[in-house]
Amino acid sequence: AQKVTQAQTEISVVEKEDVTLDCVYETRDTTYYLFWYKQPPSGELVFLIRRNSFDEQNEISGRYSWNFQKSTSSFNFTITASQVVDSAVYFCALSLYNFNKFYFGSGTKLNVKP
Amino acid sequence: NAGVMQNPRHLVRRRGQEARLRCSPMKGHSHVYWYRQLPEEGLKFMVYLQKENIIDESGMPKERFSAEFPKEGPSILRIQQVVRGDSAAYFCASSPEAGVGNEQFFGPGTRLTVL
Repeated sequence: AQKVTQAQTEISVVEKEDVTLDCVYETRDTTYYLFWYKQPPSGELVFLIRRNSFDEQNEISGRYSWNFQKSTSSFNFTITASQVVDSAVYFCALSLYNFNKFYFGSGTKLNVKP
Repeated sequence: NAGVMQNPRHLVRRRGQEARLRCSPMKGHSHVYWYRQLPEEGLKFMVYLQKENIIDESGMPKERFSAEFPKEGPSILRIQQVVRGDSAAYFCASSPEAGVGNEQFFGPGTRLTVL
């Protein structure tokens, strides 16, 4: 069975602090994809990143970076120099090879205070 | 290129009524997925459809819920005889093709409130 765990229910930081959101996944499949989505207060889901199981290179996009470690089944997301606009719920998700449904974690609510 | 469209954005129903949620996928996308997000929870897969076919409905409740994606027109998620526990946000996603790790593009969601 597949499972995605986001143990941090809610995190509060002050603007300009760095923050890391944790994601741990479970699957017996060797080929899979991992995703991060942002859900701002307006409610829509915004795609942030997709990473396949064969690519363990870390990725950086502006203030965002992702650390994928297969050895610990983790796909963590770091926001550097957080801003108030980063306040949202962030979801980690898993999809398997040739399967089309996503398994979502329960989300981490990030509050960035000015 | 318009994104995934869902309507209505907000829907209020009384217990026992029917709810119809519509989803128009992105242009060129023939694969539609429905997810439900209960308050304070993550999204849970409900059903995956291609045009005129239900491919995977393993996440659909056995009773009162049905989904379709006709040859013409939007995909419809139908909930009969709604109960308070059906109150949730229902998200539709679409992708251009099946297969490995395709990104799913999500609509803005329909927030169903059952009184």
